[in-house]
Amino acid sequence: GQQVMQIPQYQHVQEGEDFTTYCNSSTTLSNIQWYKQRPGGHPVFLIQLVKSGEVKKQKRLTFQFGEAKKNSSLHITATQTTDVGTYFCADYETSGSRLTFGEGTQLTVNP
Amino acid sequence: NAGVTQTPKFQVLKTGQSMTLQCAQDMNHNSMYWYRQDPGMGLRLIYYSASEGTTDKGEVPNGYNVSRLNKREFSLRLESAAPSQTSVYFCASSARDTQYFGPGTRLTVL
Repeated sequence: GQQVMQIPQYQHVQEGEDFTTYCNSSTTLSNIQWYKQRPGGHPVFLIQLVKSGEVKKQKRLTFQFGEAKKNSSLHITATQTTDVGTYFCADYETSGSRLTFGEGTQLTVNP
Repeated sequence: NAGVTQTPKFQVLKTGQSMTLQCAQDMNHNSMYWYRQDPGMGLRLIYYSASEGTTDKGEVPNGYNVSRLNKREFSLRLESAAPSQTSVYFCASSARDTQYFGPGTRLTVL
């Protein structure tokens, strides 16, 4: 099945610094979804990207889908302590409504 | 509107014991899913149900069975628990491409 690789596995930043996590696949991704999971919590849907080269913003978060639909990134500008958690990308197959998750990037923010 | 609920929240089993994890959603969603989450491995799909009366295997179905009891409920059964099944189990339901997750069940098999 589709394999989705995510880097880095861990990222520690000082509050105010920027953060980026990357999602890569050797094959073309269908649609990319991003989820956030707070420590001890459950994954929460953030956004879906569908089109090649698509860029979407949610306040300090910027999501990009690569031109070849083989990679995606999530960038957070000026991190805050509320950004702490694990960020997952997932390939969404519309035909089967199935998600294949990356391993996630765990973000810690030092105040 | 409770969303997706799961019971129990925590469970400790001995090797060989059986148990059923319960999941229910009140959002009238057709599709429901069971995932397991292990450190450093993201979430892996165990089974899913596209609609009432249908179930399909996911990435890691071995050692599990499921029942889609009705549109609201989707249960996951471990017939003979093994230490390798120690994990956090999440149920989810979906509508229009978005999956909504329950709070999870933390299972330890000794």
